[in-house]
Amino acid sequence: DVKVTQSSRYLVKRTGEKVFLECVQDMDHENMFWYRQDPGLGLRLIYFSYDVKMKEKGDIPEGYSVSREKKERFSLILESASTNQTSMYLCASFDPRQETQYFGPGTRLLVL
Amino acid sequence: QKEVEQNSGPLSVPEGAIASLNCTYSDRGSQSFFWYRQYSGKSPELIMFIYSNGDKEDGRFTAQLNKASQYVSLLIRDSQPSDSATYLCAVEETDSWGKLQFGAGTQVVVTP
Repeated sequence: DVKVTQSSRYLVKRTGEKVFLECVQDMDHENMFWYRQDPGLGLRLIYFSYDVKMKEKGDIPEGYSVSREKKERFSLILESASTNQTSMYLCASFDPRQETQYFGPGTRLLVL
Repeated sequence: QKEVEQNSGPLSVPEGAIASLNCTYSDRGSQSFFWYRQYSGKSPELIMFIYSNGDKEDGRFTAQLNKASQYVSLLIRDSQPSDSATYLCAVEETDSWGKLQFGAGTQVVVTP
């Protein structure tokens, strides 16, 4: 079974804090993705990565950055958290055999 | 802008009836299509994928694909209360191996 884990299920941060969200997959997948999900807006792609140290902007990269130093770990960074970044953050890993993405459990972030 | 459209619902379905969910997409070159189920507060889980025109059945679920008309649908037979969830349609983008465009989801409510 594909296993994708995320560092926190719930997180509360203050405006201006630097926030790290971590995602780890144990299937040696090359492609990994970060989304945020908000009511009525569906899943929106923030960043994705095709390999170590390789990253591509998604549809809404503003205010975010990513890091992929090791193949199994893909981190999302909020450089200076703002209240409009309160959301559910979902990480996904792409399984090339099934040609689909598998999701981690999600991190619900509240920025006060 | 590539788009995936779904009716947001809620789609109310009596227990034991068939739930029918529709999805249209704009990327004419897309070849791979997916249905995810998402329970409230949880992350999406893959339930079906389809690559070829026609029907694909898996238990109580049937996915239908018509590439010429650019729509994909999901039928849930003998609907159960446990099927109450939001169903996300996802389409793999052309030439972007692994990157998916998601619809906003259709909420299904199965009533006893």
